[in-house]
Amino acid sequence: GAVVSQHPSRVICKSGTSVKIECRSLDFQATTMFWYRQFPKQSLMLMATSNEGSKATYEQGVEKDKFLINHASLTLSTLTVTSAHPEDSSFYICSASSGLGVNEQFFGPGTRLTVL
Amino acid sequence: GENVEQHPSTLSVQEGDSAVIKCTYSDSASNYFPWYKQELGKGPQLIIDIRSNVGEKKDQRIAVTLNKTAKHFSLHITETQPEDSAVYFCAASMALYNFNKFYFGSGTKLNVKP
Repeated sequence: GAVVSQHPSRVICKSGTSVKIECRSLDFQATTMFWYRQFPKQSLMLMATSNEGSKATYEQGVEKDKFLINHASLTLSTLTVTSAHPEDSSFYICSASSGLGVNEQFFGPGTRLTVL
Repeated sequence: GENVEQHPSTLSVQEGDSAVIKCTYSDSASNYFPWYKQELGKGPQLIIDIRSNVGEKKDQRIAVTLNKTAKHFSLHITETQPEDSAVYFCAASMALYNFNKFYFGSGTKLNVKP
């Protein structure tokens, strides 16, 4: 149980285009989803937290107009990188929490974004 | 906010030896401490966790200890195998409303030599 999927696993796009990444909880309802960014050989940096049906809470320094997060249902959250630039190239990972009195976050496999 | 420090950054052991990774945290309100294993190009996978009301937890070759007074917790892997080679992250978390924000350590790259 507690499986989280991400799609796509890899994406290459041109500078200036927008890219959408999907995160799904496959066998549980995720009241909260988290989006992280990870640079090579570095730790996970929390970008934002989203609760189903409400606006995402962004961490300090993360541009909310650039990284649009939608948590439309209890099993799906999307991250859209708008007007992507090469510096946005990174490994994006989502996690999901059921919020049922426990603390666990279950992570997706990640999405490798390369902006040319 | 919470600050989690993790040591060492790299660790190389011989197959069969034990490996220990240590983390410290700053906020005494943190009450949940998971450990994640991340293989290259993949998302982190939870391998063991411990809550603040427990001092030690063991799962086969993996154990975690927690010292709340000193604010540190450690991951112990015994009888290491080459497939244990990966990057390991510790995290500290506290309940916040209805979800829990994680603060991650910087990671330890474990290399188990056959």
